[in-house]
Amino acid sequence: QQQVKQSPQSLIVQKGGISIINCAYENTAFDYFPWYQQFPGKGPALLIAIRPDVSEKKEGRFTISFNKSAKQFSLHIMDSQPGDSATYFCAANPIKAAGNKLTFGGGTRVLVKP
Amino acid sequence: DTGVSQDPRHKITKRGQNVTFRCDPISEHNRLYWYRQTLGQGPEFLTYFQNEAQLEKSRLLSDRFSAERPKGSFSTLEIQRTEQGDSAMYLCASSLGAIEKLFFGSGTQLSVL
Repeated sequence: QQQVKQSPQSLIVQKGGISIINCAYENTAFDYFPWYQQFPGKGPALLIAIRPDVSEKKEGRFTISFNKSAKQFSLHIMDSQPGDSATYFCAANPIKAAGNKLTFGGGTRVLVKP
Repeated sequence: DTGVSQDPRHKITKRGQNVTFRCDPISEHNRLYWYRQTLGQGPEFLTYFQNEAQLEKSRLLSDRFSAERPKGSFSTLEIQRTEQGDSAMYLCASSLGAIEKLFFGSGTQLSVL
C-alpha cells in the first residue's frame, strides 16, 4: 500500500526553469515531510524538510509548499541547473509515533537541459 | 570520509546462497536503519536499531533476513537462501536521535542470478 504518492515520474526542464514535484499522503499521523535528492550510485541525501505547522519553507533555490487540509506537499526548484539532474523523493514520517521510519514516494527523475 | 560506509558496494550471488552486508554508521550516531530500494522505486524501511537493540522490523523482513548491531556500532544484514526477488539496493542510514538528520550510505547493490 503506497501511503505517499508522488508525481510526475519524470520531468524535463530547461536550465533556468522551475521544476515542480507533487506528493500526496493519506496517513494523518504523518507530521514530518522531507525531500531527498539521489544521484546514480549514491544514497539519498536530505534536501529540505517541513513540518505541518508552516505552509512554506525555502532554502536557497528549493521551496516546499505544504497544504495540510489537502494532505499535499510539493517541491519547487527555482532556476534549475544541470547539476540538479537527479531523482527526487518525497517522504513522510509520524514523528510522534513509536516507529521512526520514513515512508517514501516513488520518486521523480528530473533532467535539466542546458 | 566520516559518512555512512557500506560494504561491499556490489554483490553478485547465485540463488540459494547466503550473503552478508556491513554498515558502519557515522560515529556517535545511536540509531541505525536498513532500507531496501528496487529500481525506479523509493526506499522501503526494513528495520532499525537504537544502540544495539533492534526496535522495529518491517513485514518486508522475512525469516530469511536477519540484522544485528553488536555493541551498538556497526551493523550487519544477512540474507539466507537468496531469491531473485531479493535483488535490490540495500541502504543503511544513521542518525543521532531525531529522524530529521538521517544520513544514508551509498548502498550495497545485490544481484541474485
